[in-house]
Amino acid sequence: DTGVSQNPRHKITKRGQNVTFRCDPISEHNRLYWYRQTLGQGPEFLTYFQNEAQLEKSRLLSDRFSAERPKGSFSTLEIQRTEQGDSAMYLCASSLITGGETQYFGPGTRLLVL
Amino acid sequence: AQSVTQLDSQVPVFEEAPVELRCNYSSSVSVYLFWYVQYPNQGLQLLLKYLSGSTLVESINGFEAEFNKSQTSFHLRKPSVHISDTAEYFCAVISGNTPLVFGKGTRLSVIA
Repeated sequence: DTGVSQNPRHKITKRGQNVTFRCDPISEHNRLYWYRQTLGQGPEFLTYFQNEAQLEKSRLLSDRFSAERPKGSFSTLEIQRTEQGDSAMYLCASSLITGGETQYFGPGTRLLVL
Repeated sequence: AQSVTQLDSQVPVFEEAPVELRCNYSSSVSVYLFWYVQYPNQGLQLLLKYLSGSTLVESINGFEAEFNKSQTSFHLRKPSVHISDTAEYFCAVISGNTPLVFGKGTRLSVIA
């Protein structure tokens, strides 16, 4: 069990550029979640997938954000036309579909928009 | 909407002293409750969880939490803390089909 991995771990970009992050979940997990965490706050839900289907999106997920999980395995989160307010830690988590839904988190991708 | 309140943003405590980190949630329906820990420069790790059954749940490193339905609380306790417990602790809840909702976190600082 290699855990949830995320790449890159850090990203610095200029305002207006597009960025893409990748998440590889625990291999047998069919649910995958994206969260955003800003300084002094707990993680905030963005969206989640069950297999390849995107089942829920938060209103935090503006139209500049898009997430995919094309084969039900890894997922990508793209932010277009980045803004300084997008600077945050982006966390990915995965889980099995069970009654407890324990989510296992990756180390996160820290984004800084200049 | 579901919400989680962690009443203390920072808790300093001397090594080997007891600690309690407080957590209250808003839902009145059936809930699953979690405590996650985030060590410096690391990802979130599950510390313990309450799904059903015994209202007192324990972690492998000496923490425990008690689900109190009447008080809508899930406070985290440890009778004697260690320097290595220094971290940020997040309380989180799922109710019904809502996504996992986190509190703002409590930074525990253990002083030698």
